[in-house]
Amino acid sequence: QKEVEQNSGPLSVPEGAIASLNCTYSDRGSQSFFWYRQYSGKSPELIMSIYSNGDKEDGRFTAQLNKASQYVSLLIRDSQPSDSATYLCAVGTYKYIFGTGTRLKVLA
Amino acid sequence: DAGVIQSTRHEVTEMGQEVTLRCKPISGHDYLFWYRQTMMRGLELLIYFNNNVPIDDSGMPEDRFSAKMPNASFSTLKIQPSEPRDSAVYFCASSKQGGGQAFFGQGTRLTVV
Repeated sequence: QKEVEQNSGPLSVPEGAIASLNCTYSDRGSQSFFWYRQYSGKSPELIMSIYSNGDKEDGRFTAQLNKASQYVSLLIRDSQPSDSATYLCAVGTYKYIFGTGTRLKVLA
Repeated sequence: DAGVIQSTRHEVTEMGQEVTLRCKPISGHDYLFWYRQTMMRGLELLIYFNNNVPIDDSGMPEDRFSAKMPNASFSTLKIQPSEPRDSAVYFCASSKQGGGQAFFGQGTRLTVV
């Protein structure tokens, strides 16, 4: 299978700080890129989708895509303890390959 | 909409038994995905369907695994015979169109003893 790589973490940031999550992928033909959040024992839920190079902002979240570098990132501004979860990067066109996720801890 | 429905949250079965997991996708969604999640391997795509037709089953680990989608509102994933290493959380997801957001069901935690 095509690969999607993420640092497993944990990534610890203080409350109010910016959390930066990164993902690289191997399939240059991929057209769709997603960030999902997964709380322990729960199912993944979509945070952001991005389809073209550049930045996309939604509230406290910004997704960044660089297809030339095969790199997608997620920035979380003003991090809150409730943001503590595992963040999964998903990449594909018709089918989606997930990274193993980065565990984020926001410290109060 | 009720979302993707996986009515069984926990399934416990004995090694060697057949186990069938069930999924109802969101109405109007043309794509259905079966994923398996373990601590070691993360979320793995097993198979996906488009308009009830299996498109890619390259992620199905062995011949013991099979999946069907007899109609647009129902899919099954069957493991026969089951083995302890099949223990995992199995998620079903659906999306409205190719390349669109996938919505996940609650997942079925399978334990094979």
